[in-house]
Amino acid sequence: KAGVTQTPRYLIKTRGQQVTLSCSPISGHRSVSWYQQTPGQGLQFLFEYFSETQRNKGNFPGRFSGRQFSNSRSEMNVSTLELGDSALYLCASRIRDGYNEQFFGPGTRLTVL
Amino acid sequence: DAKTTQPNSMESNEEEPVHLPCNHSTISGTDYIHWYRQLPSQGPEYVIHGLTSNVNNRMASLAIAEDRKSSTLILHRATLRDAAVYYCILISYNQGGKLIFGQGTELSVKP
Repeated sequence: KAGVTQTPRYLIKTRGQQVTLSCSPISGHRSVSWYQQTPGQGLQFLFEYFSETQRNKGNFPGRFSGRQFSNSRSEMNVSTLELGDSALYLCASRIRDGYNEQFFGPGTRLTVL
Repeated sequence: DAKTTQPNSMESNEEEPVHLPCNHSTISGTDYIHWYRQLPSQGPEYVIHGLTSNVNNRMASLAIAEDRKSSTLILHRATLRDAAVYYCILISYNQGGKLIFGQGTELSVKP
């Protein structure tokens, strides 16, 4: 089975622009979560989508948004980019609700200049 | 969200056992203890999880204290590929996919 894939792997943007990142979960997985990782703040939860509905949201400004499609693929969007948005963005999928483990993708490295 | 406390870093010699501790004194009765690790330049990967009893899988063992206020991840024979940051995370059923990562323990393995 293919793992979680994220595109693009690397991205460079300038302040004020917007960006869309994509995540394809493992086949059959219905939940996709997004995380931001920076050297200063570590790994922080952004939001989770389950069956096309946002189930959980972290403490991030409204510039960060996401959605999930009927095939469980997910996108996250960041509008009006700031220098501090430079980070590794990770998505993770899991098969269903409950205590089951998450499978992470390799991440998208976003650099904001 | 219940919190965990881990040492910032630990060192191990190759082929020796490693015991990575985690304190979670505010754990609730339905919280599961999960361990993830993040190898350099990769996303985190699931290692093991448990509720009350000790657990084993092909990667590691998880020893859970009787009062559940602490747990220990055991790597039976550390290899250089085990060098990573190890995260101990508590998950409640209603938490869904929201993992709260602390700082974790950075494990270095010496040949």
